[in-house]
Amino acid sequence: AQSVTQLGSHVSVSEGALVLLRCNYSSSVPPYLFWYVQYPNQGLQLLLKYTSAATLVKGINGFEAEFKKSETSFHLTKPSAHMSDAAEYFCAVSEGTGGFKTIFGAGTRLFVKA
Amino acid sequence: DTGVSQDPRHKITKRGQNVTFRCDPISEHNRLYWYRQTLGQGPEFLTYFQNEAQLEKSRLLSDRFSAERPKGSFSTLEIQRTEQGDSAMYLCASSFDATAKNIQYFGAGTRLSVL
Repeated sequence: AQSVTQLGSHVSVSEGALVLLRCNYSSSVPPYLFWYVQYPNQGLQLLLKYTSAATLVKGINGFEAEFKKSETSFHLTKPSAHMSDAAEYFCAVSEGTGGFKTIFGAGTRLFVKA
Repeated sequence: DTGVSQDPRHKITKRGQNVTFRCDPISEHNRLYWYRQTLGQGPEFLTYFQNEAQLEKSRLLSDRFSAERPKGSFSTLEIQRTEQGDSAMYLCASSFDATAKNIQYFGAGTRLSVL
């Protein structure tokens, strides 16, 4: 069975500081991995995806994530936080063989201080 | 491309009433998913369709819940005899599985409050 663990339900950074949101996954088959962002009262927007190509994945809004199979991790980073990055971030995994079901982590709320 | 559309955005109902939500996926997307999201949690899978066929239902989807996608386009999710525990955000997503990468695009959700 697949699962996702996001370490830290809340992360607070200062504007301009590095953003690091942690995600570990469990999957019995090669996974597809995703990061989504959710703003209040909105649906989820795809930030980036890993689908077995390059292990360093670049996404929108300056975010990137690195797939590390040995650590079963897919941490999300951004070099310099902006106030507009404050939101809820979800890591997700689905089967790498075109699986239909996506399993989401519990989410990490990012706060950005001025 | 107008994105995934959900209606209504908010629904307040009394316990025991029936409610129905609608989802219009991105045109030409053959897969459609329903998720439920409670406060402080990630979305939980409820069910999914490939075209008009409902291919899987989560154990979370009790007998009071039913979903349809009659013509392989829009979908409805009905909850009968609502309970307070049904209060949540109901999210719809769609994808086009030709590449088998299962990138899902989400609607803004329907927030249900059961009083």
